[in-house]
Amino acid sequence: EAGVTQFPSHSVIEKGQTVTLRCDPISGHDNLYWYRRVMGKEIKFLLHFVKESKQDESGMPNNRFLAERTGGTYSTLKVQPAELEDSGVYFCASSHGTDNSPLHFGNGTRLTVT
Amino acid sequence: AQSVAQPEDQVNVAEGNPLTVKCTYSVSGNPYLFWYVQYPNRGLQFLLKYITGDNLVKGSYGFEAEFNKSQTSFHLKKPSALVSDSALYFCAVRDNTNAGKSTFGDGTTLTVKP
Repeated sequence: EAGVTQFPSHSVIEKGQTVTLRCDPISGHDNLYWYRRVMGKEIKFLLHFVKESKQDESGMPNNRFLAERTGGTYSTLKVQPAELEDSGVYFCASSHGTDNSPLHFGNGTRLTVT
Repeated sequence: AQSVAQPEDQVNVAEGNPLTVKCTYSVSGNPYLFWYVQYPNRGLQFLLKYITGDNLVKGSYGFEAEFNKSQTSFHLKKPSALVSDSALYFCAVRDNTNAGKSTFGDGTTLTVKP
């Protein structure tokens, strides 16, 4: 099966610009997650979709971040306007519907805001 | 709230020696525990998990982990390290009362020297 794919792999933007990250989960995985790793620290949860619905968005840092998953397939994460502290690696992961299913991660998008 | 601690940023071992990467956790319910490995410029890959049952779980690439409820630990082990095991290792916990969110530690860089 094809794995989780993320696009782009790298993005360099200036402060105040907009960036949209895309994630294509494994086909059939209802659960889709966004995580972020900043400055080599822990991988922090951003939000969780079940199909097209936001199950938990408690990790979204502020209203400059908007995630969507139209039709319950791929997801986008938009940052608008970007700030310097948004730099980091954004990971998408997907899983089957059971609680003990492991996460399948994409390779991540490295975002640099200058 | 759930949390994970990986007390060592770096672990260095000689090839052929046993290795241990430490992890402790905190959850309000019964824990689901996971280990993931990340190679450079790649996403995280699932290694093994503990859900219930035998405290010693075996995973990919000869790795195993021991669940210790009294010490709230889930240390990753391997009897004989390989140079190719050098990577970044993450421990993660999911509360069985919270179907979605996994919480990750800061990661431990394992270096195996020939």
